[in-house]
Amino acid sequence: GENVEQHPSTLSVQEGDSAVIKCTYSDSASNYFPWYKQELGKGPQLIIDIRSNVGEKKDQRIAVTLNKTAKHFSLHITETQPEDSAVYFCAASRYSSASKIIFGSGTRLSIRP
Amino acid sequence: DAGVIQSPRHEVTEMGQEVTLRCKPISGHDYLFWYRQTMMRGLELLIYFNNNVPIDDSGMPEDRFSAKMPNASFSTLKIQPSEPRDSAVYFCASSFTGPGGEAFFGQGTRLTVV
Repeated sequence: GENVEQHPSTLSVQEGDSAVIKCTYSDSASNYFPWYKQELGKGPQLIIDIRSNVGEKKDQRIAVTLNKTAKHFSLHITETQPEDSAVYFCAASRYSSASKIIFGSGTRLSIRP
Repeated sequence: DAGVIQSPRHEVTEMGQEVTLRCKPISGHDYLFWYRQTMMRGLELLIYFNNNVPIDDSGMPEDRFSAKMPNASFSTLKIQPSEPRDSAVYFCASSFTGPGGEAFFGQGTRLTVV
């Protein structure tokens, strides 16, 4: 079946440094790549997404990049802050009414003060 | 809108008992999803509905699990009888774009079966 691999599973960075989380997907027809942030005791929340017709998207300190040829996409968080500590999930899907999202296994990000 | 609302937030039950989880989706969202989250298996889609009709239940683990959506503002996930391996966090999510698009998750129900 379709698969999304996510690395690393845990990541610890110094406050103010950058964090990068990487994902690969297997379905070459995937065209929608969302990222979700899950804080302790809460449900996942969409923080940014990218469609396959663009290679990069930024929203303040968060950016996503997509390499369709290599089937890789990444989340970049710059100037990390304590509130960035959470579990982050990447996902991939065909953006249609019949295709289900496939989630990665998650990355637990910890920001050291 | 208050977002997706799930109840209860926590449930502890004994093996063999029936468990019912409840969900109120965001008004206007035509799609409703039930997910299960565990350390071993991550986020698994159990079933989803479109306009109150179950579309894909291929993720439901076994016949002990059932889900209903009697109207556009309410859904239940029932486990009967419950087993310790059902212990997990169960999320309900809703969407207006379909299973491949943006999903809005509830806070989840943490189920513990002892």
